[in-house]
Amino acid sequence: QVQLQESGPGLVKPSETLSLTCAVSGYSISSGHYWAWIRQPPGKGLEWVGSIYHDGSTYYSPSLKSRLSMSVDTSKNQFSLKLSSLAAADTAIYYCARHLVVAPFDYWGQGTLVTVSS
Amino acid sequence: DIVLTHSPGTLSLSPGERATLSCRASQSVSNSYLAWYQEKPGQAPRLLIYGASSRATGIPDRFSGSGSGTDFTLTISRLEPEDFAVYYCLQYGGSPWTFGQGTKVEIK
Repeated sequence: QVQLQESGPGLVKPSETLSLTCAVSGYSISSGHYWAWIRQPPGKGLEWVGSIYHDGSTYYSPSLKSRLSMSVDTSKNQFSLKLSSLAAADTAIYYCARHLVVAPFDYWGQGTLVTVSS
Repeated sequence: DIVLTHSPGTLSLSPGERATLSCRASQSVSNSYLAWYQEKPGQAPRLLIYGASSRATGIPDRFSGSGSGTDFTLTISRLEPEDFAVYYCLQYGGSPWTFGQGTKVEIK
């Protein structure tokens, strides 16, 4: 059973950097899938943030590319997100998910709410 | 970016009725790389349909998808109580991948 679990701070100050980690269990992160972050502002729709492959290749949303960094740790079977220069508009539930190169997200974490506020 | 527009925004129906949800793309979605998700409060989205018309593993056959190019449809043949939720389409044929804003299916 593939499981993903997000972790990170629930509250971050404006202008700071958000760091989130997604721990994967029941499946090797090196087994050929891509690993993604998707976010959802309160009461709004879903937005793909970016994806990473186990070799470190990354694909970022153009709207976030200048502030975004993703990494993968195959030894811990987890991947991470860093989003800098946070603003209130970055307040959202952040989900991690799995997908193939041209296939939709099939397994998702439960999501973690991140609030940007002073 | 490909913009996906759902219609209607809200659908008010009774259990047992048929639900027809539309997702229209601002440009053609290559290879019909269009998926549908169901989202319930406090839960992660659940993949229902991929490739416009293929049901994901474990999805009941009352859910069906159709369409190509720019016009796609999700049909729920007979609404069960657990089907009242928000439905999103996702296109994964062009970068960046984009979601629609969703259709809420509510109990009438």
